[in-house]
This record gives sequence, C-alpha cells and structure tokens, in this order.
Amino acid sequence: RKEVEQDPGPFNVPEGATVAFNCTYSNSASQSFFWYRQDCRKEPKLLMSVYSSGNEDGRFTAQLNRASQYISLLIRDSKLSDSATYLCVVTHYGGSQGNLIFGKGTKLSVKP
Amino acid sequence: DTGVSQNPRHKITKRGQNVTFRCDPISEHNRLYWYRQTLGQGPEFLTYFQNEAQLEKSRLLSDRFSAERPKGSFSTLEIQRTEQGDSAMYLCASTPVAKNIQYFGAGTRLSVL
Repeated sequence: RKEVEQDPGPFNVPEGATVAFNCTYSNSASQSFFWYRQDCRKEPKLLMSVYSSGNEDGRFTAQLNRASQYISLLIRDSKLSDSATYLCVVTHYGGSQGNLIFGKGTKLSVKP
Repeated sequence: DTGVSQNPRHKITKRGQNVTFRCDPISEHNRLYWYRQTLGQGPEFLTYFQNEAQLEKSRLLSDRFSAERPKGSFSTLEIQRTEQGDSAMYLCASTPVAKNIQYFGAGTRLSVL
C-alpha cells in the first residue's frame, strides 16, 4: 500500500463545476501537507499548503483532518486552465527539512 | 531565468550505457533534491543534499546510481549500466533556508532503448 493514496480519476467536469479531490496518508507522524499541480509533461508546482484549520486561496480550498489522516482539495467554478494532475503531498518533517512524498495524482479535465 | 535548471531535457541511450544529468538549483538554495517519476505515478524521492553533504538516500537509489554536489551549488546524477527500467523523468528541486517549499526544474526525460 502506498503511503499517500489518491483517486487517480480522471475527473471530467464542465466549466463552472465544483470538484473535490480526496487523499489519505498512512503515516501518522506526517508533519506538513501540500497540494501540487502538474501539467502534462511539466514539472510539479506548489498549489497550496494545507493547514489543520483549513485554508482558502481564491477558488481553491484545502482541508486537513489529522485524526482521519485525510486531506481534501475543493475547486470551485472550475476553469479550462484548471485541467492538470493534482498531487497530494506529505512530508515527515516540519520546517525546511525532508523529502516530499507524493500520491499518484488525480487527473482533472475541465471541458467547455 | 532564475529557476531550477536541468540539463539535458531529453536523453536517449542504449541499455548498458552510462548517463549523467545536471541540476543547477536556484541561487542560495542550500537544499537540493532528486526525484524520479514514471508514467502515471507521482515523483519518488531519490536523494537530497544540504549544501555539499548528501544527507539521505532512498532505497530506490541502487548501486548504479550516484549523485554529487561538489561545491554545494550544482548537482549531478549519474546512472551506470542503464537498464530499461531506468526510463523515467528525473526531477531536481531546491529549497531555500528555513522554507518548506520545493521548487522543481523541468526535468530530464530518460529513455533507455
């Protein structure tokens, strides 16, 4: 079993839809949590960090439930440009240390 | 361009040959990471450096793999006696001091024939 599990999708949604991605992690010692976005044949780029209190960045909302070891990403009013693979990421360290542990990614395709 | 730079972008080689990739991190980023990504998977950690010291190696990093960061600036990843299973995207990332955000380069795509 992978340490970070995601539904691989693909999620095919129309423009304007709201879409939610879920992720679970198995190591309860995980310290930091992120969502990265990866466009086809490009490098991953940080979308947002995820905090226990939940956090929002424009149309994107991330939630963390440490008790359930569950992370979510909600995208509202989806745009064509949101089409990408969304990678759930954890680290075992806080601060500036530590390698990233990635899920397989969830592919999103937003259609006109 | 002040981002993470990786060269070459693409490498095609025959099985059994040696290959070397280079990564130039963002200036003053003291931590440098190597990852490997195969089709349909997320990136997997290989190794990381703090300045010139290699602090951690994944068990994915077999004896055929070696990484260096001789002066704490650029890094090289060498694969000896390449195998078809080495075909992947090799990604480099760097992190500034006291930040937990990794900035990735565009990667080197290796194809072993």
